[in-house]
Amino acid sequence: DTEVTQTPKHLVMGMTNKKSLKCEQHMGHRAMYWYKQKAKKPPELMFVYSYEKLSINESVPSRFSPECPNSSLLNLHLHALQPEDSALYLCASSDRGGSYNEQFFGPGTRLTVL
Amino acid sequence: QKEVEQNSGPLSVPEGAIASLNCTYSDRVSQSFFWYRQYSGKSPELIMSIYSNGDKEDGRFTAQLNKASQYVSLLIRDSQPSDSATYLCAVNGYNQGGKLIFGQGTELSVKP
Repeated sequence: DTEVTQTPKHLVMGMTNKKSLKCEQHMGHRAMYWYKQKAKKPPELMFVYSYEKLSINESVPSRFSPECPNSSLLNLHLHALQPEDSALYLCASSDRGGSYNEQFFGPGTRLTVL
Repeated sequence: QKEVEQNSGPLSVPEGAIASLNCTYSDRVSQSFFWYRQYSGKSPELIMSIYSNGDKEDGRFTAQLNKASQYVSLLIRDSQPSDSATYLCAVNGYNQGGKLIFGQGTELSVKP
């Protein structure tokens, strides 16, 4: 299995809702990433987990809360989001978290905040 | 100066031609370089990685790296309409823990 899967594909939420995005990989990768991508822009890194520990947090607002329950799963918990948080949220994984590791992206969750 | 720069395009080439996509980067100690293809509404797909100076070929794709000039390129031979997409250059610096810095992407259009 060489895929990264993400659920849900689409999510619409109000500013007072709490929701979670899920990501799963079965490639035995030990590094997992969350990116945010706005229209016509490149992906922007949010978080990196390496060996199930948070290794990079790109100064993301606390309304985004990542969680890595095990080496195959990555969650992103959302609370009190703003309309400007509407974007494509991408999960990626790589063999390890170092410089030479190729990152493979999931299909993304398209989030709309009303 | 942006860390990773690409011409935004659109770059238009006729079917069967060679498409040449260019990328420059500012961090001289960058170690690894990647090209992703992204179709409209889809997620990025890794198509090439290159780590040392020179050329790397995979099918119709050739990546070229020149660390002295801080330049990386992607050539697509025999371009097909299905190659029409945005191509993202991504760079991983020294000891950056896997953090990729992306260029703005070049939109490629291959005309039948």
